[in-house]
Amino acid sequence: GAGVSQTPSNKVTEKGKYVELRCDPISGHTALYWYRQSLGQGPEFLIYFQGTGAADDSGLPNDRFFAVRPEGSVSTLKIQRTERGDSAVYLCASSLGAYREQYFGPGTRLTVT
Amino acid sequence: GENVEQHPSTLSVQEGDSAVIKCTYSDSASNYFPWYKQELGKRPQLIIDIRSNVGEKKDQRIAVTLNKTAKHFSLHITETQPEDSAVYFCAGGSQGNLIFGKGTKLSVKP
Repeated sequence: GAGVSQTPSNKVTEKGKYVELRCDPISGHTALYWYRQSLGQGPEFLIYFQGTGAADDSGLPNDRFFAVRPEGSVSTLKIQRTERGDSAVYLCASSLGAYREQYFGPGTRLTVT
Repeated sequence: GENVEQHPSTLSVQEGDSAVIKCTYSDSASNYFPWYKQELGKRPQLIIDIRSNVGEKKDQRIAVTLNKTAKHFSLHITETQPEDSAVYFCAGGSQGNLIFGKGTKLSVKP
């Protein structure tokens, strides 16, 4: 079946602007995760949803970052007042449930100029 | 919180040789340890994983071992091929989120 999809694949924005990144998980996967990956680094955990609720948001760097998953499927990561340090690839993953194998999407490359 | 250390950061082997990548973790509550392969510009792909109730797991040329007492786990690739060249990440976790190592860039020379 279809894998995890993310849109857009690339996003260039100016410092101070607001951006939304979308993740469409594998059908039937109840758990969804957001990570970000800087060049030469491993993915860094941001937030994890089980169903509609955020089960763990301890990785969100500050209150400019927010994520939602209103119907338990598609999720949107929202970043306010973007800063150049937010530039990274934002990866989404999904799994059948917590403690199960996580499958990644292709990522959204965010560049803040 | 969990901290995962990975080494070496780069590894170069001759085609047909074996490659070993090692990781250590800090949180004794961690019970799930996957390994991902990431080619340049691509998404991380799960290649093998192990849970804390198992000491070793093998899938064709790839094997993973786990030592819970010492809090370390290793990836073993035998009979390496040029297409094994990529960055490999280990990760550990217990409650859904994963903490990743910094990665090992594996180069397999033909």
